[in-house]
Amino acid sequence: KQEVTQIPAALSVPEGENLVLNCSFTDSAIYNLQWFRQDPGKGLTSLLLIQSSQREQTSGRLNASLDKSSGRSTLYIAASQPGDSATYLCAVSLGAAGNKLTFGGGTRVLVKP
Amino acid sequence: GAVVSQHPSRVICKSGTSVKIECRSLDFQATTMFWYRQFPKQSLMLMATSNEGSKATYEQGVEKDKFLINHASLTLSTLTVTSAHPEDSSFYICSAPGGGIDEQYFGPGTRLTVT
Repeated sequence: KQEVTQIPAALSVPEGENLVLNCSFTDSAIYNLQWFRQDPGKGLTSLLLIQSSQREQTSGRLNASLDKSSGRSTLYIAASQPGDSATYLCAVSLGAAGNKLTFGGGTRVLVKP
Repeated sequence: GAVVSQHPSRVICKSGTSVKIECRSLDFQATTMFWYRQFPKQSLMLMATSNEGSKATYEQGVEKDKFLINHASLTLSTLTVTSAHPEDSSFYICSAPGGGIDEQYFGPGTRLTVT
C-alpha cells in the first residue's frame, strides 16, 4: 500500500526566505506526482505535476524535483511572500489520469511579513 | 484550465437526514470522478471512485449504503450522505482528471455540518 509522508508538518519563515517542503512515498512505481496548495476551508489548486520520467518542473518561483528511485520529491518556493501562506499537499498516482491519488498529510506554511 | 464545481459549498443538516452534493466538470467530460473526505487538520482521504454508467468503487472502510454515488452523465457525479450523523461532518471534495492530460482538477469542496 502506497504511503505518502510530508515533512515538516508545519513551517514558519520570515518573508523573503526560501521554502523547502519535502514529500516521500513508499512505492516508487508511481505514474506522476502532483503538488497542490490549499487555503483554509477551500479546495485544492494544482501547482506542479511531475511525470515519473521527469526530474523536475518549474513554474515562476516554484520548483519541484522528483527522485523516483529514492521515493522523494521536494518543492522549493523562492523568495517567500505572505501570500504563500497555505497548506501544501503532495499526491502520487500509481496510474494514468483515471487513477486515484494518494495524499500526504500536508505542510502548513506561514510566511511572516 | 479545466474547472470543476461543487454544490452546495456549505450545508447544515439535522442528524438522520440525507444530503446530496453535486460535482460537475464545467468544460470537459469526465468518465471518472473521485470523492475525497477531509477532516479538520488532516489530509484528503479517498472515499470512492465514481464511474459514468456503472457502479462506484468504494475504498475499504467506506460504507457504500451510507454514501451513495451516482454518475449520471459525463459531467455530473453526485454524493448522497444518507442518515447523516455528527461524525459525518467533514469537508467533501471531488476531483476529475482533466481533458486528456494527467492532472487532477479539484472542486472547491463542500463543508457538511450535521447537528
